[in-house]
Amino acid sequence: SYVLTQPPSVSVAPGQTARITCGGTNIGSKSVHWYQQKPGQAPVPVVYDDSDRPSGIPERLSGSNSENTATLTISRVEAGDEADYYCQVWDSSSDHRVFGGGTKLTVL
Amino acid sequence: EVQLLESGGGLVQPGGSLRLSCAASGFTFSFHAMSLVRQAPGKGLEWVADISGGGTDTYYADSVRGRVTISRDNSENTVYLHMNNLRVEDTAVYYCARVNIAVAGRGYFDYWGQGTLVTVSS
Repeated sequence: SYVLTQPPSVSVAPGQTARITCGGTNIGSKSVHWYQQKPGQAPVPVVYDDSDRPSGIPERLSGSNSENTATLTISRVEAGDEADYYCQVWDSSSDHRVFGGGTKLTVL
Repeated sequence: EVQLLESGGGLVQPGGSLRLSCAASGFTFSFHAMSLVRQAPGKGLEWVADISGGGTDTYYADSVRGRVTISRDNSENTVYLHMNNLRVEDTAVYYCARVNIAVAGRGYFDYWGQGTLVTVSS
């Protein structure tokens, strides 16, 4: 089955740039979606189809996807960005949706 | 305003059954595929099942295939997850999520409910 690999944690100082990666075999050929989940809350989409943002998501959050790695980039990190982030794809070979293991973003 | 309201969670013994419901409002229900995603305590997100807007296409995670059935009633704007032969490892918060398109398996989850907790324990 298809596996998505994320780093368990990423730490960044306020105002700096955070990059959260999502690795998968030839993930560049798939559409990658990213979700943000804060403690005790339901997930919220922040990037879909590799690099599009739902309405209301600030431009500071952006996505890219190439070859074997997709990346969620958060520029000018704020305290409110502290959350768990999950990548997700559709694996057509198994007809399964797949989530990455999640990355906890800590704002120092 | 899009709203998804899950219900039906609770405590059940191993081997038992449960039916979760997700009542939707604020959009044309049949225009969207729907999905169930679960999260075990302290763990990450795990996809459970998808159903297309018309209800004809369904997909299941390997961990629940054969024990779970997803269905929908477009006249009642409700999605159901019938769960049988429940295991301790099925303990999780179950989220209902709307897919942005009618095709199951494609698209992304643009709205999520607040979830309902299922606890499988003796």
